[in-house]
Parts: sequence; structure tokens; C-alpha cells
Amino acid sequence: DVVLTQSPLSLSVTPGQPASISCKSSQSLLYSDGKTYLYWYLQRPGQPPQLLIYEVSTRFSGVPDRFSGSGSGTDFTLKISRVEAEDVGVYYCTQSIYFPRTFGPGTKVDIK
Amino acid sequence: EIQLVESGGGLVQPGGSLRLSCAASGFTFSDYNMNWVRQAPGKGLEWVSYISTSSSIIYYADSVKGRFTISRDNAKNSLYLQMTSLRDEDTAVYYCARTGGLDVWGQGTTVTVSS
Repeated sequence: DVVLTQSPLSLSVTPGQPASISCKSSQSLLYSDGKTYLYWYLQRPGQPPQLLIYEVSTRFSGVPDRFSGSGSGTDFTLKISRVEAEDVGVYYCTQSIYFPRTFGPGTKVDIK
Repeated sequence: EIQLVESGGGLVQPGGSLRLSCAASGFTFSDYNMNWVRQAPGKGLEWVSYISTSSSIIYYADSVKGRFTISRDNAKNSLYLQMTSLRDEDTAVYYCARTGGLDVWGQGTTVTVSS
């Protein structure tokens, strides 16, 4: 199975400051169609997860542009340029190339 | 409005069965592959099962293989998860989610397996 490792596992950020989360995969997530199937989600407290970023770097509809994704192959990063109070929650990366579908362990972000 | 609404959760004894449903609305359900994902209390996300648009391709997590069955009825815009031989470790919130990108999620339905 593909193992996704996230770091850090928790992050406390001052509002207005940047934040960065790493996701590393045990196998390349580059598919034969040239796309890389790595996604980022935010799960706010008491809510289902919501898609933020798909295929490494494309923001999903309605996602603020302070969120950005980057990376290739096995190393990926989610960046928040200026953290806001509503960004609190757990961030997960996941891959959709291989079954079983796997998720990272999650990174809990809170506000200082 | 695009929406997924899960139902069918509840309290069940170990070894029991439950059938979860996910009602889709606001989009052409038959055009989308679907998934079940679960989250045990205080834990992370665990993918459970996948079904293609025509039900021709189905996958399961090893943890549920042989006990859970995913199905769909495109005429009823509904996704199902038949769960048998339930174990304590199946206790979780179960979400249905659309496509490989998991771009739309329901609010979840809670399954508690306990004697």
C-alpha cells in the first residue's frame, strides 16, 4: 500500500502568518496520463472533510487563493499564505492512483 | 445544490449487520464513481470502498473485504454499503464521497458496534 507521511502533525499559527504542511508518498503519484493524483482536504471540527486542492496544485471551486499546493513525484506541500481563524482544523493529503486509497495521518492546525 | 445525504447508521451488536444508504441530488449520479470513507472516533480518515459508474469495478479495503458490499442504484440516485459481521473496530462515522477526487462529501452517518 502507498504510505503517505505528513509533517508536522500539529501546527500552531499566528493569524496572518504563513503555514506549510508536507506530504511525502512512498511511491510516485505520477500517472501514465501525465497527471499527479495528490489531493489536500481540510476537516473543520465537527464537519466532513472538504476538498481544497486536487492534482497537486489546482484549487477546488471556492477555495481562497491563500491556499496553494506544489510538488511532484513523491514530495508535496500545502501552503497557506496568511492563516485565518477559519483555517483551523485537520489537513489531510490523499492519493487516488492506487487502491487501496490511502490518506496521510493528518496535520492539526490551530491558532495561537 | 449538489448534495449527498447518508442514512442507516445506528447501534449494533458485534456480529450484526447494517445497511447504509447515500442519497445523491443536484448532479447526474450515474456519471460519477463513488466511495465510502470512514472515520473512527478521534482518528483519521480511512477509505472503505469504491464503485465505478456502472458497478463494473469495485474495490474494498482489506479491513472490510468479505464483510462489506458496496452497490448503487443509478435509477434511484443512491449508493449503498451493506455491512455484515460487524466488529468493534468498525465503529466510525461513515461518509459517502464523490469521484476519485472526493470532491463532494455527505455529512456522515454514525455506526456504533458495541454489546
